Amino acid sequence: GDSVTQMEGPVTLSEEAFLTINCTYTATGYPSLFWYVQYPGEGLQLLLKATKADDKGSNKGFEATYRKETTSFHLEKGSVQVSDSAVYFCALSDRDGGFKTIFGAGTRLFVKA
Amino acid sequence: TAGITQAPTSQILAAGRSMTLRCTQDMRHNAMYWYRQDLGLGLRLIHYSNTAGTTGKGEVPDGYSVSRANTDDFPLTLASAVPSQTSVYFCASSPISSTDTQYFGPGTRLTVL
Repeated sequence: GDSVTQMEGPVTLSEEAFLTINCTYTATGYPSLFWYVQYPGEGLQLLLKATKADDKGSNKGFEATYRKETTSFHLEKGSVQVSDSAVYFCALSDRDGGFKTIFGAGTRLFVKA
Repeated sequence: TAGITQAPTSQILAAGRSMTLRCTQDMRHNAMYWYRQDLGLGLRLIHYSNTAGTTGKGEVPDGYSVSRANTDDFPLTLASAVPSQTSVYFCASSPISSTDTQYFGPGTRLTVL
């Protein structure tokens, strides 16, 4: 079945450092890919998404490119801020899976001032 | 716009008791979902509903039931709670469109003793 694997955390960075959180997926069809972010004490909210190969999703300085050849959707940001401290979830939604969304385990990011 | 509301915010429940977690959305979304979030496991789908009047089982449905009498409400019931159901529960909705984006409520923290 479909699955999502993302790098284990926590990831600790200093402010203005470069961020990469790796995400790879397994899917039978042609899924849409997502990154969700969860700030402390809140529910998840969509950060960015890509719906087909080679699409790049971007929002708030974060980017991720849908790489079908490597089945990856790595999250990057050039300069992190303390306010980016949160848990980041990679996810996929596959039409063949009835549009149910499969989430990775989440990666906690700490950004130090 | 409120989006998705959940109640209660938190609850401590004795094992063997029943409990209903409430979820209401005001976005007129067709699909609704219940997830549980456990450390290291990400989000796991409990039950879902693609439209009012229909429900389906997710990855971890045992011990839980749902109903979808109308578009806005999607309550989750634990008939006889057990300690392994201690978790944070999130309700979510999506419009069922090509975007497949899900919108999450703030969560209910449930402790079963």
